[in-house]
Amino acid sequence: EADIYQTPRYLVIGTGKKITLECSQTMGHDKMYWYQQDPGMELHLIHYSYGVNSTEKGDLSSESTVSRIRTEHFPLTLESARPSHTSQYLCASSVAGDRETQYFGPGTRLLVL
Amino acid sequence: KNQVEQSPQSLIILEGKNCTLQCNYTVSPFSNLRWYKQDTGRGPVSLTIMTFSENTKSNGRYTATLDADTKQSSLHITASQLSDSASYICVVRANYGQNFVFGPGTRLSVLP
Repeated sequence: EADIYQTPRYLVIGTGKKITLECSQTMGHDKMYWYQQDPGMELHLIHYSYGVNSTEKGDLSSESTVSRIRTEHFPLTLESARPSHTSQYLCASSVAGDRETQYFGPGTRLLVL
Repeated sequence: KNQVEQSPQSLIILEGKNCTLQCNYTVSPFSNLRWYKQDTGRGPVSLTIMTFSENTKSNGRYTATLDADTKQSSLHITASQLSDSASYICVVRANYGQNFVFGPGTRLSVLP
């Protein structure tokens, strides 16, 4: 069982609200990721980080931002939620290497009304 | 374009039966291929990983194969159990950057 946690697990919110999805890992991993996954579809990379003060955008264009002030913490913020943001958000962490294994959190299921 | 395709999209089998899931990819240059199991409402968990030189890898009742020439992989599940009901995701990593390419998954349902 991976030591990576996400809160909240479920969130229902109105359009236009600002929300922050939390992700924490206690494994000391340098690399962290945020993915978006719609039901029955593949994961899409939103943001990733190589370490503290490092953040990069992924393939999926998303009106979200991330920060990496501490190694263990990688929050994702939506400044103004829209119904199109309704999805599952998965956080992952890993140690760099050829056989890099990503450890995933349980996910946050977001519904924007 | 780097892509990973999986088939079938969904599969229903009876407990105790075997099954094989397929993964085809166009990711290049290839680094490794990993199979994940994702239970409903949970994050994916790694089952196996194979590099270019490895053509088979087992993890208990799960056996993955890789044909790097044809860019195909399979995941064989032996003597299925109810707990095998999940989505199985094929992920191919390119040999540069952060390029993990995820397949859409195969949804497996094991019935008693």
